[in-house]
Amino acid sequence: GENVEQHPSTLSVQEGDSAVIKCTYSDSASNYFPWYKQELGKRPQLIIDIRSNVGEKKDQRIAVTLNKTAKHFSLHITETQPEDSAVYFCAASGGGGADGLTFGKGTHLIIQP
Amino acid sequence: GAVVSQHPSRVICKSGTSVKIECRSLDFQATTMFWYRQFPKKSLMLMATSNEGSKATYEQGVEKDKFLINHASLTLSTLTVTSAHPEDSSFYICSATSGRYEQYFGPGTRLTVT
Repeated sequence: GENVEQHPSTLSVQEGDSAVIKCTYSDSASNYFPWYKQELGKRPQLIIDIRSNVGEKKDQRIAVTLNKTAKHFSLHITETQPEDSAVYFCAASGGGGADGLTFGKGTHLIIQP
Repeated sequence: GAVVSQHPSRVICKSGTSVKIECRSLDFQATTMFWYRQFPKKSLMLMATSNEGSKATYEQGVEKDKFLINHASLTLSTLTVTSAHPEDSSFYICSATSGRYEQYFGPGTRLTVT
């Protein structure tokens, strides 16, 4: 089955700086890669996703890049703000609505004021 | 749009009893629903995939006789934790999809077994 590795487990950055979280996956058949933000006791919130036919996607301060050959994808957050502090999870699936998600172990992002 | 609800949000039960958790898609028809479990400070782990009208597909290591899943309609899936034990205490989250890539997550159910 799919295996998703996520690094780092904890990331502390100064407010206004950029944050980068990296994930690798093992199954070359995976074609859907979402990123979630989760606050304590709440449901995961989709912040951005990318499909395998695209190398990069951006939404305001958030961007995701995908390297299918190397089987890795990254989340980039620019101009970080205190409200960005949370746990972030990457995930992978075969997509198409039929496959469940395999999640990375999560990154605790801490924005220092 | 794309709202998923779960009930109850929190439940405390005694060891040996069973607990049922409901997951509903409120404004769309969910062809597939998924059940995940999340232990404190851990990641989400897929437990099972359920399609309306058919038997659920369980992930390796998940006991199908302990975690009973029923997906009776396109808007409702239920997870019953049978003979619950303290080690089953966890955050159970469902998600639903209408056949597209994005999954819509419910708010989760915090189960505590005493």
